[in-house]
Amino acid sequence: GQNIDQPTEMTATEGAIVQINCTYQTSGFNGLFWYQQHAGEAPTFLSYNVLDGLEEKGRFSSFLSRSKGYSYLLLKELQMKDSASYLCAFYSNDYKLSFGAGTTVTVRA
Amino acid sequence: DTGVSQDPRHKITKRGQNVTFRCDPISEHNRLYWYRQTLGQGPEFLTYFQNEAQLEKSRLLSDRFSAERPKGSFSTLEIQRTEQGDSAMYLCASSHPDGTSGYGYTFGSGTRLTVV
Repeated sequence: GQNIDQPTEMTATEGAIVQINCTYQTSGFNGLFWYQQHAGEAPTFLSYNVLDGLEEKGRFSSFLSRSKGYSYLLLKELQMKDSASYLCAFYSNDYKLSFGAGTTVTVRA
Repeated sequence: DTGVSQDPRHKITKRGQNVTFRCDPISEHNRLYWYRQTLGQGPEFLTYFQNEAQLEKSRLLSDRFSAERPKGSFSTLEIQRTEQGDSAMYLCASSHPDGTSGYGYTFGSGTRLTVV
């Protein structure tokens, strides 16, 4: 496997910023995805990084360092609806996605 | 196109029974994937198809599990002689041929299986 590692849980207050880190083994790397999953629902696409650096998309940004096998997802101006599980996913060069266990983010008022 | 469709959404079955799930991918996607997800975990890869060819099966997929994609369109996942440990969400996803569209996979809503 890719040994994808991300924290289990994070809690933050509404309007704050939260950063979810993800590390992975670099062998066979073809991209790094972040998905959001609300309880009982399917994962939905948030971001994709294949080159080093920061990709910004509204309130959500994702960063990648290929040499370090490291990515993070940054959620800004947190809203209650952002309470969900966030999945880091390694995209390999045989076109498979391998997921981490997910980070449950709880947003408090 | 309404995205990836899975049927049924929920299935409750008795231990030892056989169950079959269906997935209809996005029509222009030629890759189709099956994943299994249990509570508190990320999706685990089971198998995938390129057109009608099954290219890889995970070691998680025991011989009680079989998947088909006979015409390169919809796919079925069958579990024979179900066990309580098979209780999970079964997710289907599809993707563009080159997989580099930047949108990754599109997931269906899943089939939640409960074995009693």
